[in-house]
Amino acid sequence: SQQGEEDPQALSIQEGENATMNCSYKTSINNLQWYRQNSGRGLVHLILIRSNEREKHSGRLRVTLDTSKKSSSLLITASRAADTASYFCGSSGSARQLTFGSGTQLTVLP
Amino acid sequence: DVKVTQSSRYLVKRTGEKVFLECVQDMDHENMFWYRQDPGLGLRLIYFSYDVKMKEKGDIPEGYSVSREKKERFSLILESASTNQTSMYLCASSYREGEKLLFGSGTQLSVL
Repeated sequence: SQQGEEDPQALSIQEGENATMNCSYKTSINNLQWYRQNSGRGLVHLILIRSNEREKHSGRLRVTLDTSKKSSSLLITASRAADTASYFCGSSGSARQLTFGSGTQLTVLP
Repeated sequence: DVKVTQSSRYLVKRTGEKVFLECVQDMDHENMFWYRQDPGLGLRLIYFSYDVKMKEKGDIPEGYSVSREKKERFSLILESASTNQTSMYLCASSYREGEKLLFGSGTQLSVL
């Protein structure tokens, strides 16, 4: 079963603009994680936010978590062509494993 | 550099063949996972293991089995490959349950 769902499915922006992706999940979580995947490759961990945190930053990335709405957002500021990739959220609840949504395909146009 | 290594980048097999996908990690991680990724469906968990010789079913275990005889190695087995198992297979490991995953580069399996 899919725990998280990303929105939008696809996003196209110009270089220098900000990109915002959203993730919704269904059950209570311990943490929520964002990953990036370049075409045909494995996923790379970007950032983890715990259930008692509301916001976290890492470089040009900003993640927010709203547990009352069961949602999270990933903001990439000042996007670059190299940010073009698929972005996935993974949620970790009471089970041992991480469950993922279907991802957002981000295209940054030069 | 710490890493998760999957034995094959691309694999082509025939229907009915027994297929082994190998995954090795060099970080002494307890937990290892096998996911498959299909367009529009995201990543779905097939099996995972939290210790040597331990395994647990994920969301879609049917048609698959796993083996973990050593801590660093987690194998996914397709007992009798079928065309609907054509997919990208991703192995991952983590130090603690529910913590960040380190992924391999993936194996694109085609079953003809």
